[in-house]
Amino acid sequence: DVMMTQSPPSLPVTLGQPASISCRASQSLLHSDGNTYLSWYQQRPGQSPRRLIYKVSNRDSGVPDRFSGSGSGTDFTLKISRVEAEDVGVYYCMQGTHWPPLTFGGGTKVEIK
Amino acid sequence: EVQLVESGGGLVQPGGSLRLSCAASGFTFSDYSMNWVRQAPGKGLEWLSYISSTTSTIYYADSVRGRFTISRDSATNSLSLHMSSLSAEDTAVYYCARGLRYPDYWGQGTLVTVSS
Repeated sequence: DVMMTQSPPSLPVTLGQPASISCRASQSLLHSDGNTYLSWYQQRPGQSPRRLIYKVSNRDSGVPDRFSGSGSGTDFTLKISRVEAEDVGVYYCMQGTHWPPLTFGGGTKVEIK
Repeated sequence: EVQLVESGGGLVQPGGSLRLSCAASGFTFSDYSMNWVRQAPGKGLEWLSYISSTTSTIYYADSVRGRFTISRDSATNSLSLHMSSLSAEDTAVYYCARGLRYPDYWGQGTLVTVSS
C-alpha cells in the first residue's frame, strides 16, 4: 500500500498569514493514464470531510481561491494564501492512483494562534 | 443538491453485527461508484470498501475483508454496509462517499460504538 506522510501534524497560523501543508507519497502518484490522483480534504470541527482539491491542483467549485495545490511525483503541497477563521480544521491528503486501497495522510491540524 | 445520508449506527456488543445504510439523492445514483470510509474517535480517515456503479467491481480493505459486505440498490438509491464480527477497533464514524479515485461528496456520517 502507498503510505502518505503529512507534515506538520499541527500548524498554528496567524489570521491573514499564509500556511503550507506538505504531503509525501511512498511512491510516485503518476498514473499510467497520465493523471496524478492526489486530492486534499478539509474537515472542520464536527463536520464530515469536504474535498478542496483533486488531481493535484484542481480546485472544487465553491472553494476559495486562497487554497491552491501543487506538486508532482511523490511530493505535494496545499497552500492557503491568507488564513481565515473558517479555515480551522484538519486537512488530509489522499491518493487514488494505486488503489485499492485509497490511502490518506495522517492529517494536519490548522489552528489560529 | 447532492445529498448522502447515513443511518444505522448505534451501540453493538463485541462479536455482533450491524447494517449501515446511505441514502443518496440529488444525482443519478446508478452512474456513480461509491465508498465507505471510517474515522475512529480522534483519528484519521480509513478507506474500507468500494463498489462500482454496476456492482461488477468490489474491493475491501484488509482490515474488514471477510467481515464487511458492501452492496447497493439502484431501485432505492441506497448503499449498504453489512458489518459482522465487530470488535472495539471498529468503533468509528462511518461515512459513505461518492466517486472513484477522489471521492467528491461525503455524508455526515453515522457513529458505530462496539462495547459491552
